[in-house]
Amino acid sequence: AQSVTQLGSHVSVSEGALVLLRCNYSSSVPPYLFWYVQYPNQGLQLLLKYTTGATLVKGINGFEAEFKKSETSFHLTKPSAHMSDAAEYFCAVNGGSQGNLIFGKGTKLSVKP
Amino acid sequence: DAGVIQSPRHEVTEMGQEVTLRCKPISGHDYLFWYRQTMMRGLELLIYFNNNVPIDDSGMPEDRFSAKMPNASFSTLKIQPSEPRDSAVYFCASSLRAFWAYGYTFGSGTRLTVV
Repeated sequence: AQSVTQLGSHVSVSEGALVLLRCNYSSSVPPYLFWYVQYPNQGLQLLLKYTTGATLVKGINGFEAEFKKSETSFHLTKPSAHMSDAAEYFCAVNGGSQGNLIFGKGTKLSVKP
Repeated sequence: DAGVIQSPRHEVTEMGQEVTLRCKPISGHDYLFWYRQTMMRGLELLIYFNNNVPIDDSGMPEDRFSAKMPNASFSTLKIQPSEPRDSAVYFCASSLRAFWAYGYTFGSGTRLTVV
């Protein structure tokens, strides 16, 4: 069965510091992996995705993630945090053949001035 | 494209009342999903449809919850009777069959408060 584990429900960084949000997955099928961002009082927006090909994936707002099959990880990074990055971030993996995504419990990112 | 449209944005109702949440998916999308988000349980998949047919409703918490998709452009999630523990943000999302190419598109959600 497919599952996603996000390490750390809350992460706090200073403005300008590196952002690292961790995601590990379990999948019995070739994984498709996604990161979504949710700003306060809004729906989830797609940040980036890995399907096939290049394992380093770039997304919007300067975020990127690297698919590491040997570590079953898909961690999200950004070199320099901005105040506007404060939001909740969700990692997701495909649930199998039926087209559903399995979401992690989310990591809330706070950015200190 | 207007995206996934949910209505109402906010709903406050009294315990025992019927609540109906509405969703208009993106035109041409094959799949429609209903999620519930709470602080305690995070994002939970309630039910999803493929070509208007319910595929998996195992996430629907109780018989008080029901969902329909009468056509490709409209879906409802109904709670009858509502209870305070149903208070949450309910999201609708839609996707193409090739969800791996584009992921899901989420609506802005309906914040439900049952008092």
